[in-house]
Formats: sequence, C-alpha cells, structure tokens
Amino acid sequence: QQQVKQSPQSLIVQKGGISIINCAYENTAFDYFPWYQQFPGKGPALLIAIRPDVSEKKEGRFTISFNKSAKQFSLHIMDSQPGDSATYFCAASIEIDTPLVFGKGTRLSVIA
Amino acid sequence: DARVTQTPRDKVTEMGQEVTMRCQPILGHNTVFWYRQTMKQGLELLAYFRNRAPLDDSGMPKDRFSAEMPDATLATLKIQPSEPRDSAVYFCASGLADRGQGAFFGQGTRLTVV
Repeated sequence: QQQVKQSPQSLIVQKGGISIINCAYENTAFDYFPWYQQFPGKGPALLIAIRPDVSEKKEGRFTISFNKSAKQFSLHIMDSQPGDSATYFCAASIEIDTPLVFGKGTRLSVIA
Repeated sequence: DARVTQTPRDKVTEMGQEVTMRCQPILGHNTVFWYRQTMKQGLELLAYFRNRAPLDDSGMPKDRFSAEMPDATLATLKIQPSEPRDSAVYFCASGLADRGQGAFFGQGTRLTVV
C-alpha cells in the first residue's frame, strides 16, 4: 500500500520557470510533511517542511502548499535554475521525529 | 560542520558474506533511522531508534538483517548472509525531536552483492 503518491515521475522546466510537484497522502494521522532534495551520489537533504496547521510555507524560491481536506500538498520552485536539477521526494510522518513514508520521487531537469 | 557519517561509502561483496554498515549520527541527536533506497521500491524504512532503543524494525528482514546502537555515537546495520537482492543504497539519518528540525541523512553506503 503506497501511503504517499507523488507526481509527476519526471519534469522538465525551462530556466526561470515554475516547477510544481504534487503529493497525496492517505493516512490522516500524518502531521509532518517535509520535502527532500537529492543529487546523484548524495543523501537526501531536507529542503522545507510544513505542519497541517498552515496552508502555505515559503522559504526563498521554495513554497509548500498544503490542502488538508484534500490530503494533498505540493512543492513549487519559483525561478527554477539548472542547479535545481535533482530528484525531489515528498514525505510524511506522524510526528517530526518518527519514521518518514516517502513518495517515489520526481526527477527535475531545468534546462537553459 | 555537523553531519551524519556513514562507512563504508561503497561495498562490493560476494553472496553469503557478512556485511556491516556503520553510522555516526550528529552529536546530540537522539533518533536514528536506517533507510534503504532502490530504483524499484524507493526509500524504505528498515529500523528506527530513539535514545538507542529500537522502536521499529518491521521493515527489516529479520532472518538476515540486524540493527544495533552499541552507544549514542554509533549505529550499525548488519546483513548475514548477504544476497544479490540486498544490493541497494543504505542511508542512515538522525534527528533531535526537541529541535523540530527533522531528519538529516548521511551520504549512504552503496552495497553491491554479486
């Protein structure tokens, strides 16, 4: 049973464009929703995270939008740059320090 | 520069051999996770420790995998005997709940069983 569904699997965006990655979850007990960025040969790095008590969180060019009633959340990358080319994973957990359930990942390519 | 350190970075071994992977969590962190990453299954939880006590190892094949924390600065994941299907990248992550920062991952151990 896949508890966190992520789409699309791959995404190509022009430099300066907006990258949008979507995730949906099933377990209503989830209370912490992070996004991780992974470059080839590296471990996942925490990018930004949100709790369900807010509908949006912004850090620099990265924004999480959260829809609790729809059980969906998304990552928006504004002004996408070639350096943003990586695999992005959404995840969810019951508490911030409990195990994460990951989506399958989205491979983002930002082309000049 | 606080980071999670994993050794070895790469390991090639023959089927049937014992493999031990080590992880040094960030100093002061009290939760440790082991995840496995494969193309087919993605990132899956293998084991979870808090204050060195194992809380969840339901994702781990019990007959061949074992995870321990001999002390607060060392976590180990052992596979005995190893099989080709164990080939994957194994990640250790650590966190500190009170700080509200989430889990920080190491660089991983790439295991190839031939």
